Amino acid sequence: DAGVIQSPRHEVTEMGQEVTLRCKPISGHDYLFWYRQTMMRGLELLIYFNNNVPIDDSGMPEDRFSAKMPNASFSTLKIQPSEPRDSAVYFCASSMGQGMGEQFFGPGTRLTVL
Amino acid sequence: GNSVTQMEGPVTLSEEAFLTINCTYTATGYPSLFWYVQYPGEGLQLLLKATKADDKGSNKGFEATYRKETTSFHLEKGSVQVSDSAVYFCALLRSSASKIIFGSGTRLSIRP
Repeated sequence: DAGVIQSPRHEVTEMGQEVTLRCKPISGHDYLFWYRQTMMRGLELLIYFNNNVPIDDSGMPEDRFSAKMPNASFSTLKIQPSEPRDSAVYFCASSMGQGMGEQFFGPGTRLTVL
Repeated sequence: GNSVTQMEGPVTLSEEAFLTINCTYTATGYPSLFWYVQYPGEGLQLLLKATKADDKGSNKGFEATYRKETTSFHLEKGSVQVSDSAVYFCALLRSSASKIIFGSGTRLSIRP
């Protein structure tokens, strides 16, 4: 069974450009999480969805970031315009049920903004 | 509020050494506790978990016991291998919640 799929795996872009990161959760999972990981700030939860509905976006750093989940098998995280300080590894994770605990992480997208 | 505190790294050990990575937590109620591991270039993956006091989680030679009296969940392994080199995250989840609270991570390096 495929795990969480993220694309692209690596993205290099220039400041001011729009960046879209994609995630396909594990089939049957009803929770989807977006995280950002940097050396300075560690692992940060940006937003999470339950049944395609955003539940908590308090970790989204600013209005330049937006996330959508149009259906149960696809989510996007968009940064527009991108800035060098957005350079990080972005992870998507999914899980099943509330309070169940185990989140399954994708391999991450390494974003570099020049 | 809910939080997890784990020992700062990096931790460097020789192969076959004994490992302890300390983790303490603050939470209301009775959370579930986890250790996640992140190997280089990969996402996090669940290593072990414990859902109630005095439970012991174990996997791949690693163990951790849920100690409510000391609010701790220390990770141990009797004999580490080079392949255990990774970043280890302690985490908690309240029973009614969906959002896992992660610690800051501890980088472990094992010398051959």
